[in-house]
Amino acid sequence: SQTIHQWPATLVQPVGSPLSLECTVEGTSNPNLYWYRQAAGRGLQLLFYSVGIGQISSEVPQNLSASRPQDRQFILSSKKLLLSDSGFYLCAWNRDPPGELFFGEGSRLTVL
Amino acid sequence: GNSVTQMEGPVTLSEEAFLTINCTYTATGYPSLFWYVQYPGEGLQLLLKATKADDKGSNKGFEATYRKETTSFHLEKGSVQVSDSAVYFCALSEYNFNKFYFGSGTKLNVKP
Repeated sequence: SQTIHQWPATLVQPVGSPLSLECTVEGTSNPNLYWYRQAAGRGLQLLFYSVGIGQISSEVPQNLSASRPQDRQFILSSKKLLLSDSGFYLCAWNRDPPGELFFGEGSRLTVL
Repeated sequence: GNSVTQMEGPVTLSEEAFLTINCTYTATGYPSLFWYVQYPGEGLQLLLKATKADDKGSNKGFEATYRKETTSFHLEKGSVQVSDSAVYFCALSEYNFNKFYFGSGTKLNVKP
Protein backbone atom coordinates (compact mmCIF):
# COMPACT_ATOMS: atom_id res chain seq x y z
CA SER A 1 0.00 0.00 0.00
CA GLN A 2 1.03 3.60 -0.52
CA THR A 3 2.16 5.77 2.34
CA ILE A 4 3.31 9.35 2.67
CA HIS A 5 5.53 10.73 5.40
CA GLN A 6 6.69 14.21 6.13
CA TRP A 7 9.04 15.58 8.77
CA PRO A 8 9.71 17.16 11.06
CA ALA A 9 6.26 17.18 12.63
CA THR A 10 6.94 20.33 14.62
CA LEU A 11 9.49 23.06 14.10
CA VAL A 12 10.19 26.33 15.91
CA GLN A 13 12.60 28.60 14.06
CA PRO A 14 13.82 32.20 14.48
CA VAL A 15 13.19 34.80 11.82
CA GLY A 16 15.93 34.75 9.19
CA SER A 17 16.86 31.11 9.70
CA PRO A 18 16.71 28.50 6.90
CA LEU A 19 14.02 25.87 6.50
CA SER A 20 13.88 22.37 5.10
CA LEU A 21 10.76 20.21 5.21
CA GLU A 22 10.91 16.79 3.64
CA CYS A 23 8.21 14.56 2.22
CA THR A 24 8.54 10.99 0.96
CA VAL A 25 6.00 8.75 -0.74
CA GLU A 26 6.29 4.97 -0.69
CA GLY A 27 4.54 2.25 -2.63
CA THR A 28 4.01 4.09 -5.90
CA SER A 29 6.07 5.53 -8.74
CA ASN A 30 5.96 8.84 -10.58
CA PRO A 31 3.39 10.46 -8.29
CA ASN A 32 2.27 14.06 -8.59
CA LEU A 33 3.50 15.84 -5.47
CA TYR A 34 2.15 18.95 -3.75
CA TRP A 35 2.98 21.34 -0.92
CA TYR A 36 0.10 23.18 0.75
CA ARG A 37 0.12 25.68 3.58
CA GLN A 38 -2.69 26.10 6.05
CA ALA A 39 -2.56 29.29 8.10
CA ALA A 40 -4.25 29.25 11.51
CA GLY A 41 -8.02 28.97 11.11
CA ARG A 42 -7.84 29.28 7.36
CA GLY A 43 -8.08 27.14 4.27
CA LEU A 44 -5.42 25.48 2.15
CA GLN A 45 -3.10 27.41 -0.09
CA LEU A 46 -1.32 25.50 -2.84
CA LEU A 47 2.37 26.46 -2.82
CA PHE A 48 4.05 24.09 -5.28
CA TYR A 49 3.30 21.02 -7.31
CA SER A 50 5.46 18.64 -9.31
CA VAL A 51 4.60 16.14 -12.01
CA GLY A 52 8.11 14.67 -12.24
CA ILE A 53 11.74 14.85 -11.11
CA GLY A 54 13.06 18.37 -11.40
CA GLN A 55 9.67 19.73 -12.55
CA ILE A 56 8.31 22.30 -10.12
CA SER A 57 5.37 24.64 -10.61
CA SER A 58 5.00 27.56 -8.22
CA GLU A 59 1.54 28.83 -7.46
CA VAL A 60 2.35 31.82 -5.28
CA PRO A 61 5.50 33.96 -5.49
CA GLN A 62 7.02 34.00 -2.04
CA ASN A 63 9.90 33.31 0.25
CA LEU A 64 9.79 29.55 -0.28
CA SER A 65 11.14 27.12 -2.87
CA ALA A 66 10.63 23.45 -3.62
CA SER A 67 12.76 20.71 -5.12
CA ARG A 68 12.20 17.15 -6.24
CA PRO A 69 15.60 15.44 -6.27
CA GLN A 70 14.14 11.93 -6.51
CA ASP A 71 10.91 10.50 -7.90
CA ARG A 72 9.22 10.15 -4.51
CA GLN A 73 10.89 12.92 -2.55
CA PHE A 74 9.66 16.49 -2.30
CA ILE A 75 11.45 19.15 -0.28
CA LEU A 76 10.21 22.59 0.80
CA SER A 77 12.92 25.12 1.62
CA SER A 78 13.58 28.68 2.56
CA LYS A 79 16.86 30.56 2.89
CA LYS A 80 15.46 33.12 5.37
CA LEU A 81 12.19 32.59 7.20
CA LEU A 82 9.68 35.36 7.79
CA LEU A 83 7.10 35.59 10.56
CA SER A 84 4.41 35.16 7.92
CA ASP A 85 5.82 31.73 7.02
CA SER A 86 4.33 30.27 10.20
CA GLY A 87 1.65 27.70 9.52
CA PHE A 88 0.78 24.06 9.02
CA TYR A 89 2.47 22.61 5.94
CA LEU A 90 0.96 19.64 4.21
CA CYS A 91 2.52 17.40 1.60
CA ALA A 92 0.22 15.43 -0.69
CA TRP A 93 0.35 13.11 -3.69
CA ASN A 94 -1.92 11.69 -6.34
CA ARG A 95 -1.92 9.75 -9.60
CA ASP A 96 -3.76 10.32 -12.87
CA PRO A 97 -6.44 8.84 -12.47
CA PRO A 98 -8.20 8.49 -9.94
CA GLY A 99 -6.90 11.89 -8.88
CA GLU A 100 -7.82 12.05 -5.22
CA LEU A 101 -5.15 13.59 -3.03
CA PHE A 102 -3.49 11.70 -0.20
CA PHE A 103 -2.05 13.89 2.53
CA GLY A 104 0.83 13.52 4.94
CA GLU A 105 0.52 14.13 8.66
CA GLY A 106 1.59 17.77 8.38
CA SER A 107 4.47 19.87 9.74
CA ARG A 108 3.71 22.72 12.08
CA LEU A 109 6.15 25.61 11.67
CA THR A 110 6.33 28.47 14.13
CA VAL A 111 8.59 31.37 13.25
CA LEU A 112 9.50 33.60 16.20
CA GLY B 1 -11.42 30.41 -13.12
CA ASN B 2 -12.12 27.61 -10.67
CA SER B 3 -13.11 28.23 -7.07
CA VAL B 4 -14.94 26.66 -4.15
CA THR B 5 -17.10 28.46 -1.61
CA GLN B 6 -18.31 26.78 1.54
CA MET B 7 -20.27 28.01 4.51
CA GLU B 8 -18.34 29.63 7.29
CA GLY B 9 -18.17 28.00 10.65
CA PRO B 10 -18.00 27.03 13.28
CA VAL B 11 -21.09 24.89 13.17
CA THR B 12 -22.16 23.63 16.60
CA LEU B 13 -24.65 20.78 16.87
CA SER B 14 -25.89 18.41 19.50
CA GLU B 15 -25.25 14.71 19.10
CA GLU B 16 -27.76 12.99 16.76
CA ALA B 17 -28.65 16.28 15.03
CA PHE B 18 -28.86 16.59 11.24
CA LEU B 19 -25.86 18.15 9.51
CA THR B 20 -25.65 20.17 6.32
CA ILE B 21 -22.52 21.98 5.19
CA ASN B 22 -23.05 23.96 2.01
CA CYS B 23 -20.54 23.98 -0.82
CA THR B 24 -20.81 25.67 -4.20
CA TYR B 25 -18.25 25.79 -6.94
CA THR B 26 -17.23 27.62 -10.07
CA ALA B 27 -15.52 25.65 -12.81
CA THR B 28 -14.76 26.14 -16.46
CA GLY B 29 -15.04 22.45 -17.34
CA TYR B 30 -16.39 19.29 -15.71
CA PRO B 31 -14.61 18.90 -12.40
CA SER B 32 -14.55 16.09 -9.90
CA LEU B 33 -15.78 17.09 -6.44
CA PHE B 34 -14.49 15.99 -3.05
CA TRP B 35 -15.07 16.35 0.66
CA TYR B 36 -12.06 16.04 2.94
CA VAL B 37 -12.01 15.90 6.74
CA GLN B 38 -9.25 17.12 9.04
CA TYR B 39 -9.13 16.01 12.67
CA PRO B 40 -7.18 18.20 15.12
CA GLY B 41 -3.45 18.20 14.49
CA GLU B 42 -3.67 15.84 11.51
CA GLY B 43 -3.52 15.96 7.75
CA LEU B 44 -6.60 15.76 5.53
CA GLN B 45 -8.39 12.52 4.75
CA LEU B 46 -10.71 11.91 1.84
CA LEU B 47 -14.28 11.54 3.08
CA LEU B 48 -16.14 11.09 -0.21
CA LYS B 49 -16.07 12.07 -3.85
CA ALA B 50 -18.18 12.36 -7.00
CA THR B 51 -16.81 12.47 -10.51
CA LYS B 52 -19.81 13.46 -12.63
CA ALA B 53 -23.16 15.18 -12.43
CA ASP B 54 -25.85 13.46 -10.30
CA ASP B 55 -23.29 11.13 -8.71
CA LYS B 56 -23.73 10.66 -4.97
CA GLY B 57 -20.66 10.13 -2.84
CA SER B 58 -21.12 8.48 0.54
CA ASN B 59 -18.97 7.28 3.42
CA LYS B 60 -19.36 6.83 7.19
CA GLY B 61 -22.97 8.07 7.04
CA PHE B 62 -22.03 11.24 5.15
CA GLU B 63 -23.47 11.94 1.71
CA ALA B 64 -23.08 14.58 -0.99
CA THR B 65 -24.66 14.81 -4.45
CA TYR B 66 -22.98 16.47 -7.43
CA ARG B 67 -25.56 19.01 -8.66
CA LYS B 68 -24.45 20.56 -11.93
CA GLU B 69 -27.55 22.71 -12.31
CA THR B 70 -26.92 24.47 -9.00
CA THR B 71 -23.12 23.97 -9.02
CA SER B 72 -23.33 22.54 -5.52
CA PHE B 73 -21.98 19.61 -3.52
CA HIS B 74 -23.53 19.96 -0.06
CA LEU B 75 -22.40 17.58 2.68
CA GLU B 76 -25.10 15.93 4.80
CA LYS B 77 -25.33 13.46 7.66
CA GLY B 78 -28.52 12.35 9.32
CA SER B 79 -27.19 11.92 12.86
CA VAL B 80 -23.84 13.37 13.89
CA GLN B 81 -21.64 11.99 16.65
CA VAL B 82 -19.11 13.68 18.91
CA SER B 83 -16.39 11.88 16.94
CA ASP B 84 -17.45 13.80 13.80
CA SER B 85 -16.04 17.00 15.29
CA ALA B 86 -13.45 18.16 12.76
CA VAL B 87 -12.86 20.63 9.95
CA TYR B 88 -14.49 19.75 6.63
CA PHE B 89 -13.13 20.93 3.28
CA CYS B 90 -14.93 20.92 -0.04
CA ALA B 91 -12.66 20.68 -3.09
CA LEU B 92 -12.71 20.35 -6.84
CA SER B 93 -10.13 19.15 -9.31
CA GLU B 94 -9.62 19.89 -12.94
CA TYR B 95 -9.84 17.09 -15.49
CA ASN B 96 -6.12 16.36 -15.44
CA PHE B 97 -6.15 16.13 -11.61
CA ASN B 98 -3.00 18.20 -11.27
CA LYS B 99 -4.70 21.04 -9.42
CA PHE B 100 -7.09 20.95 -6.52
CA TYR B 101 -9.09 23.96 -5.37
CA PHE B 102 -10.16 23.90 -1.73
CA GLY B 103 -12.80 25.81 0.15
CA SER B 104 -11.84 27.64 3.32
CA GLY B 105 -13.04 24.80 5.55
CA THR B 106 -15.95 24.53 7.99
CA LYS B 107 -15.31 23.59 11.58
CA LEU B 108 -17.91 21.28 13.10
CA ASN B 109 -18.32 20.95 16.85
CA VAL B 110 -20.64 18.22 18.09
CA LYS B 111 -21.64 18.37 21.75
CA PRO B 112 -22.80 15.35 23.73
